[in-house]
Amino acid sequence: DIVMTQSPDSLAVSLGERATINCKSSQSVLYSSNNKNYLAWHQQKPGQPPKLLIYWASTRQSGVPDRFSGSGSGTDFTLTISSLQAEDVAVYYCQQYYSIPYTFGQGTKLEIK
Amino acid sequence: QITLKESGPTVVKPTQTLTLTCTFSGFSLNTGGLGVAWIRQPPGKALEWLADIYWDDDKRYSPSLKSRVTITKDTSKNQVVLTMSNMDPVDTATYYCAHQSTTVTTHWGQGTPVTVSS
Repeated sequence: DIVMTQSPDSLAVSLGERATINCKSSQSVLYSSNNKNYLAWHQQKPGQPPKLLIYWASTRQSGVPDRFSGSGSGTDFTLTISSLQAEDVAVYYCQQYYSIPYTFGQGTKLEIK
Repeated sequence: QITLKESGPTVVKPTQTLTLTCTFSGFSLNTGGLGVAWIRQPPGKALEWLADIYWDDDKRYSPSLKSRVTITKDTSKNQVVLTMSNMDPVDTATYYCAHQSTTVTTHWGQGTPVTVSS
């Protein structure tokens, strides 16, 4: 199985400031034949199901605010929230869909400082 | 608008078989590239992918659960069913079904909690 490791486990950021979450995979999730990274980011607010934010490592899902961006390739990825809003308090998960079983990181809890 | 809803028992006894149904709308499993996955989340823990099924009846399972899990679809009813045998207290979790488009998990159901207890 591909192991996904996120850092940090928790993060407190002031409103309007930048938040950065990292995700590292135990092997590359870049598929050479199409040059795509099989990496997604999901947001889970308290008491709610997860919601897809980013796929192919950097493509925003329709309706997701542009303050959310994804970057990285191969084994190292980053989710950035450029200006934190109160409604961004959530747990964020990275997920690889390169090989079965698809696996998730342990989650990063984002709070307001 | 894509929606998915899980249904099934909230409590099962150890060794019993769990059957969950995902009823969806806004897409068809007759459409190429589309599928439905099952994913679970134990209380306070991370997400675990279990299985998925695609429009062409291709099925994939988590190797750690393959001997216990079966996924099927009824395209006419817009439903996908997950069965998991020999349930154990460690299988206590919220179970989600989710829409997949060319392997990307794009939309999630609300989830259904399942407790395994005698």
